[in-house]
Amino acid sequence: AQSVTQLDSQVPVFEEAPVELRCNYSSSVSVYLFWYVQYPNQGLQLLLKYLSGSTLVKGINGFEAEFNKSQTSFHLRKPSVHISDTAEYFCAVIMYNNNDMRFGAGTRLTVKP
Amino acid sequence: EAGVAQSPRYKIIEKRQSVAFWCNPISGHATLYWYQQILGQGPKLLIQFQNNGVVDDSQLPKDRFSAERLKGVDSTLKIQPAKLEDSAVYLCASSQFSRLRELFFGEGSRLTVL
Repeated sequence: AQSVTQLDSQVPVFEEAPVELRCNYSSSVSVYLFWYVQYPNQGLQLLLKYLSGSTLVKGINGFEAEFNKSQTSFHLRKPSVHISDTAEYFCAVIMYNNNDMRFGAGTRLTVKP
Repeated sequence: EAGVAQSPRYKIIEKRQSVAFWCNPISGHATLYWYQQILGQGPKLLIQFQNNGVVDDSQLPKDRFSAERLKGVDSTLKIQPAKLEDSAVYLCASSQFSRLRELFFGEGSRLTVL
């Protein structure tokens, strides 16, 4: 079975500071990896995804993530955050052999002025 | 391009009552998903449709939850009777058959059971 662990439930950070949101997964087979963002009272929006190829993936709003197969991690980073980045961030995985997307519990990013 | 439409956005009911949520996916998207998102948790898949057929409903509590997609387009998720623990946001998502790894989500329907 696959599972996703987001290591931090809340991450407070000051505006213009860098941020890293951590995600680890466990799976017996290869996976596809995703990061979604959820603003208050809205649905989930895809930030970026890793399907194959380069392990460094760039997404929208200046976010990027790096797939590390040996550490089974897919951490999300942004070099300089804005107030508008305040939201809930979800890491998700799909195993190669099915379409069941499993989500982590989420990390609440709060950007303070 | 219109996104995934869901209604109602908010619903408050008492336990043992019934409720139904509606979802209209993006035009041309053959795959439709219903997720349950309990406060403080990530979304959990309830059911997946491919056109009008069920692909996966292994996590759907079938004693009280039902879902249909009769014409392979829009879908309805029903809860009857509702329990307090059903309070959650119900998210609908859709994807193209050829690009199953890209899910597009609606804004969700927030259910409060009193």
